Amino acid sequence: GENVEQHPSTLSVQEGDSAVIKCTYSDSASNYFPWYKQELGKGPQLIIDIRSNVGEKKDQRIAVTLNKTAKHFSLHITETQPEDSAVYFCAASPTGANSKLTFGKGITLSVRP
Amino acid sequence: ETGVTQSPTHLIKTRGQQVTLRCSSQSGHNTVSWYQQALGQGPQFIFQYYREEENGRGNFPPRFSGLQFPNYSSELNVNALELDDSALYLCASSDPTETNEKLFFGSGTQLSVL
Repeated sequence: GENVEQHPSTLSVQEGDSAVIKCTYSDSASNYFPWYKQELGKGPQLIIDIRSNVGEKKDQRIAVTLNKTAKHFSLHITETQPEDSAVYFCAASPTGANSKLTFGKGITLSVRP
Repeated sequence: ETGVTQSPTHLIKTRGQQVTLRCSSQSGHNTVSWYQQALGQGPQFIFQYYREEENGRGNFPPRFSGLQFPNYSSELNVNALELDDSALYLCASSDPTETNEKLFFGSGTQLSVL
């Protein structure tokens, strides 16, 4: 089955700096890669996603890149703000099963004011 | 448009008991998926329901079972609770007919097994 790994496990940045979170996956059949943000006491919130026919996608301060050959994808957050502090999860799923996701263990992002 | 709602928000049970968790899907979504999130871990797929039938299952024993109702709401039942079942149980809904199907989560039910 699919195995998704995230690194680093924690990340601390200064407000205004950029943050990059990387994930690797193992199953070459995976073709859908969402990113979720989870705040304390809440469920995961979808912030951006990418499919394998696209190499990069951007939404305001957030972007995701995908390298299918290397089987890794990354979340880029620019101009970080304290409200970006949360746990971020990457996930992957194979064709036709976008709702059956395999998640990584999560990264705790801290943005220092 | 209403989001995914789950009840109860918190629950305490003792080992060996049975528990039922409930979920209402987001308006217009006919597919419900259940995930277990242990402390400090990512969510793990338990199973999915589509048109009132199980449509895929993760690596969970048969004592984890579910139901989906005609209004697309769903229940997760866990029998013979074990200490390791303590976790946040997340319900998520989606519409598989959408070209860009996306999964939306509720806030979860925090289950503690003593």
